[in-house]
Amino acid sequence: DTGVSQDPRHKITKRGQNVTFRCDPISEHNRLYWYRQTLGQGPEFLTYFQNEAQLEKSRLLSDRFSAERPKGSFSTLEIQRTEQGDSAMYLCASSPGDRAGTFGSGTRLTVV
Amino acid sequence: GDSVTQMEGPVTLSEEAFLTINCTYTATGYPSLFWYVQYPGEGLQLLLKATKADDKGSNKGFEATYRKETTSFHLEKGSVQVSDSAVYFCALSDRGGATNKLIFGTGTLLAVQP
Repeated sequence: DTGVSQDPRHKITKRGQNVTFRCDPISEHNRLYWYRQTLGQGPEFLTYFQNEAQLEKSRLLSDRFSAERPKGSFSTLEIQRTEQGDSAMYLCASSPGDRAGTFGSGTRLTVV
Repeated sequence: GDSVTQMEGPVTLSEEAFLTINCTYTATGYPSLFWYVQYPGEGLQLLLKATKADDKGSNKGFEATYRKETTSFHLEKGSVQVSDSAVYFCALSDRGGATNKLIFGTGTLLAVQP
């Protein structure tokens, strides 16, 4: 059990570019969550997967954001046409059912 | 909707001082309550949790009691150390909901001076 892994740790991109982040959950954790954390704030829920099914999306997840979890294993979060307001820490968490989630170290996105 | 309110920081204490970080919540269901800790540049680590009224969560000298009557889950530690310096987040999860997603407070920065 190596914990939740996120890649990359840091990403700097120019406004208008597309970016993709990856999350590898703890093996056999069927639940996977994405959160966004801006400076000085607590994490905010973005989306939730149970196995490969995306069961809930926050209103924060505009149509420029898309997330997938093929085969119920790793997950990707893509942001298209990035804006400066997308600069944040993107956190992934996984859990084995109805238990507290384990968080990864996050991907810090800076849009310049 | 559900929400969490925690005291603003920073909280600055001397080593071995007593710590209290206040947290109150609003929820329509019967939430589980959590404290997470975030060290600089890292993700969140679960510190402790409580799943029902009057439960006390404890870990590493920290403790918090689920108070339904006051809708509170205050974090306490009897003697803080420099290594406890971090940001602390109170959170709730609605166990009646399908996702068990977490709703966080804004965080409280704790700085412990030697």
